[in-house]
Amino acid sequence: NAGVTQTPKFRVLKTGQSMTLLCAQDMNHEYMYWYRQDPGMGLRLIHYSVGEGTTAKGEVPDGYNVSRLKKQNFLLGLESAAPSQTSVYFCAARGASTDTQYFGPGTRLTVL
Amino acid sequence: GQQLNQSPQSMFIQEGEDVSMNCTSSSIFNTWLWYKQDPGEGPVLLIALYKAGELTSNGRLTAQFGITRKDSFLNISASIPSDVGIYFCAGHTGGGNKLTFGTGTQLKVEL
Repeated sequence: NAGVTQTPKFRVLKTGQSMTLLCAQDMNHEYMYWYRQDPGMGLRLIHYSVGEGTTAKGEVPDGYNVSRLKKQNFLLGLESAAPSQTSVYFCAARGASTDTQYFGPGTRLTVL
Repeated sequence: GQQLNQSPQSMFIQEGEDVSMNCTSSSIFNTWLWYKQDPGEGPVLLIALYKAGELTSNGRLTAQFGITRKDSFLNISASIPSDVGIYFCAGHTGGGNKLTFGTGTQLKVEL
């Protein structure tokens, strides 16, 4: 039981490039979340999904898009990467009957 | 948005010492969660609290849900080197879909 997995683990982009981060969960959870973590700022919510085919904006959604075409996958896209998007990105999932979110191992993204 | 103030920001303690950290909010929460993050890893849930006044233990860790529902406390007894990491509190208001996270307490243990 892998729980929540994220790919890739590391990535370096040049300014203006695009990329997609993949989050996959095998717990059949309804809710999925994308966060970014920056030094001294804790975890900030980018986008989230309350079920397959639905997405919603979090605290810092600008510059990111998401899709939840399948229940088990939640994709985070950067259309035109900027240095300000250098961060560690975490995906999380939770079931409908609990407040507890389970996190993936993170993706470290550097934008040059 | 809501803010969770977590303190202290960092702690440097001797092995064997007890550790206390807390989290306060300007809003009421229905659930408090405490996570630990090891370097290079994602946060892992330590303790979940669901009722005001609740005191819950997980090994050497004990957490409390404040009576006012605006704060929570985490204690670690007899710290060991593997306790090193960042500890996050998180609160859920109930009825919403999101957690609010504290900024973390970085714990360093000196042998």
